[in-house]
Amino acid sequence: DQQVKQNSPSLSVQEGRISILNCDYTNSMFDYFLWYKKYPAEGPTFLISISSIKDKNEDGRFTVFLNKSAKHLSLHIVPSQPGDSAVYFCAATPYNNNDMRFGAGTRLTVKP
Amino acid sequence: NAGVTQTPKFRILKIGQSMTLQCTQDMNHNYMYWYRQDPGMGLKLIYYSVGAGITDKGEVPNGYNVSRSTTEDFPLRLELAAPSQTSVYFCASRQGARYNEQFFGPGTRLTVL
Repeated sequence: DQQVKQNSPSLSVQEGRISILNCDYTNSMFDYFLWYKKYPAEGPTFLISISSIKDKNEDGRFTVFLNKSAKHLSLHIVPSQPGDSAVYFCAATPYNNNDMRFGAGTRLTVKP
Repeated sequence: NAGVTQTPKFRILKIGQSMTLQCTQDMNHNYMYWYRQDPGMGLKLIYYSVGAGITDKGEVPNGYNVSRSTTEDFPLRLELAAPSQTSVYFCASRQGARYNEQFFGPGTRLTVL
């Protein structure tokens, strides 16, 4: 069963515009949510996270929004840069738990 | 500080062969993980360890074994390779306690023919 879903396999945006990547989850026990970025032939790297007690977390150009009632989170990148082109994975876990579940990823392409 | 390192980077196995994927971290993290990523899919947890001598199964453990004799090393063993084990394997570690972010190695691409 896929408990974390990223329904958009790909997204293309123009440099300087906003990128919005979406993620849905089904497990109510998830308490902590993370976004990872992955370049080809590299391992995923941690980007930003949010706990369920918050609905927004910002780090520079990256903001993650959490809507617990809808079981939905999104990652906003503003402004988007060509170097942001990568695959973005959404992940979720019960707090301090080892069973982290990942979405299938969204490939973001930022065009110059 | 190299972070999480994995060897080999690539490997081709024949059906029924065995091999060990190596993973080492130099961050003194207690928690370590093995994931596999199939094409178009997210990462799935194979095994994890919360410290030396302690391991536990993840979502997809069948066909794999692990051991954790030191804090630094967490090898993954495939005993009888099958085509279904063709995948990219990632090792990760995390500090533990309140830190949920995992740090990943570069991956091992395994093909079983």
